[in-house]
Amino acid sequence: DTEVTQTPKHLVMGMTNKKSLKCEQHMGHRAMYWYKQKAKKPPELMFVYSYEKLSINESVPSRFSPECPNSSLLNLHLHALQPEDSALYLCASSQIPARDRRYEQYFGPGTRLTVT
Amino acid sequence: AQRVTQPEKLLSVFKGAPVELKCNYSYSGSPELFWYVQYSRQRLQLLLRHISRESIKGFTADLNKGETSFHLKKPFAQEEDSAMYYCALLISNFGNEKLTFGTGTRLTIIP
Repeated sequence: DTEVTQTPKHLVMGMTNKKSLKCEQHMGHRAMYWYKQKAKKPPELMFVYSYEKLSINESVPSRFSPECPNSSLLNLHLHALQPEDSALYLCASSQIPARDRRYEQYFGPGTRLTVT
Repeated sequence: AQRVTQPEKLLSVFKGAPVELKCNYSYSGSPELFWYVQYSRQRLQLLLRHISRESIKGFTADLNKGETSFHLKKPFAQEEDSAMYYCALLISNFGNEKLTFGTGTRLTIIP
C-alpha cells in the first residue's frame, strides 16, 4: 500500500460545529504532516509529527488541534472554525530524515472543507 | 528566511516545443529542491528531486547554486504535461523537515 488516504473527501461545517479530518498511511512512515491549501495558492505547512510526537506547529490557531494516535493515523480536530478556514486540507507522510538522507513526502488527495 | 519564487503563474506552450518552468530560491544553507506536479483531479505528487539527478517523464532539473535556480525543462512538450507545477525547498532543522512551496506555474500544452 503506497497511498495516503484521507476522509472525508468533502466536509461542510458550521462555525459552532466540531468535526475531525482523518489521514491514514501504511507505508511505515514515521513523519506525518498537515498542510492547508487555499484556492490557487500553494500548500502551506501547518503541523509536523515525528514518531507520533508534534515537532512543528507553524503558529496555527488553537481551533485546529492535531492528534497522532498511532504511527499510521493522523487526525485534525476542528472546532469553532471561521469561514476563512475554508480550504483543501492535505495530509502527507514520509520516512524520518536521516543525517545525510532526505525523503520525499507522499500526499493524500485532501479534504475540501467549507465553513459556513 | 527561505523563499521559493516561481515567476510565471501561467505558461502556454505548443505541443512539441521546449518547456522551461523557472524556479529560484533563497536559502542560506545547503538546499534540497523538488518539483511536485498536480494533474487535474489528482493528488500532489513528486516529479523530481535535485539530488537524484534523473529524468522523469522527459523532465530534467539542474540545481544551479550560483544562480540559486532549479529550473524544470523538457525538450518536447506533450499534451499530458498540462498540470500545475510547484517548486519546493526542503529545510531540515534538528531532524524536523519543512517543505516550502513556490506559488506554482500552471502549464498548458496547446495541441
